This record gives sequence, C-alpha cells and structure tokens, in this order.
Amino acid sequence: GESVGLHLPTLSVQEGDNSIINCAYSNSASDYFIWYKQESGKGPQFIIDIRSNMDKRQGQRVTVLLNKTVKHLSLQIAATQPGDSAVYFCAENPNQGGKLIFGQGTELSVKP
Amino acid sequence: KAGVTQTPRYLIKTRGQQVTLSCSPISGHRSVSWYQQTPGQGLQFLFEYFSETQRNKGNFPGRFSGRQFSNSRSEMNVSTLELGDSALYLCASSKGQMNTEAFFGQGTRLTVV
Repeated sequence: GESVGLHLPTLSVQEGDNSIINCAYSNSASDYFIWYKQESGKGPQFIIDIRSNMDKRQGQRVTVLLNKTVKHLSLQIAATQPGDSAVYFCAENPNQGGKLIFGQGTELSVKP
Repeated sequence: KAGVTQTPRYLIKTRGQQVTLSCSPISGHRSVSWYQQTPGQGLQFLFEYFSETQRNKGNFPGRFSGRQFSNSRSEMNVSTLELGDSALYLCASSKGQMNTEAFFGQGTRLTVV
C-alpha cells in the first residue's frame, strides 16, 4: 500500500535569530540523549549530548536542556545561520547498550 | 581520524534478491548499530553489534540480519527483498560503553524495484 510520510514539524527563522527545537522522549529509563543534524543526502551528524544527571549542557552556539519530569528535551541554536538549515533529531538511549530511539525530527529553515 | 564508512552508497535491487551492506566504524570503536530510515517511519533501530556479538535487536523480520568481524567492521544482509525495504540504511559506531557518542556514516541508499 501507499506509505504516508511523516509530517515533520517545521521551524522557520530569520538568519541571526535564536532557534529552539523541542522534543518529547518516551522512556523514563532513558539516561542519555543526543541531538543530531541531518542535511539532505547525508547521515545524521552528532551535535551535542546530555546525560540524565544534568539539566543543561552548552556547546558552541548550541545548548541542550533536559527536563526529566516531563520527559522533554530542547535544542537552542544561537544566532542561527543558513548553514543550520537541516532536519534535527533528538535520540534517547533507553539504557540498552548502543540502541538509540529517534524522534520524528524537526525541519529547520533559515531565511537569509 | 577517518569517520564511519558505508559501502556502497547506492544500490538498486530487484524484489526477491538479497543484499549485503558494509560498515567500517571509527578506529577504536567496538559497537556498530544499524538503522533504517524511510519517509514513512523515520529512523528505526535494526540491531547493534559489540565485540562480534549481537547486543540489541529491533523489531524487524528475520530477513534482516547482520554480523560483526574481529576488526569491528560490520555487514548487514537483507534477504528476499521487498519493495518496502527501499530506504536509507545507516550505521553508527561508538566505543560501546554506556552513554557514549554515536557517529553515523553517510548511509547506503537501497532501492528495490
């Protein structure tokens, strides 16, 4: 039969603005989380990770926030640039070796 | 340091055939995981190999199998291909300990006709 594509949430921002991408995760046992960026035709690229004993972690222009109470992750990108345009995925490790469970992704579009 | 290498990048196969995909992890990484990415289902976990043993398995039929060699390189095989197996197959490598970064290759684009 015909497959129905996932309707990716989209976020459109102006170049130079800050972006916030949200993600809800499913497993209370998950103790490690990663954000990936995927550009068209490429594999997911590691951006930043956070362990469950932290609620915030900062990288270069990116910050990840973790709220375990409501099982929510967010990725903040400062001074968004056209090169940041991509699909962003959150992934959780449900405490099962290297297995990752991915969210559906958010498509970020940066307008120059 | 070389990244994760997947070969081939593109494949076209006919229904009923079988296919083998290869993944060379980052040097020193002992864990290789495989994922299937489709527009309909997103990124789904297939299986993980660590030190030549399957450590985790996703919810895919037995037509999907894999193995890992002593040098940590991994292969996955899909037998009796179906049209629905058309997807981007991605592998990720990590050191294998809990809560360590996983890095992806560029993927193999499989088209089944």
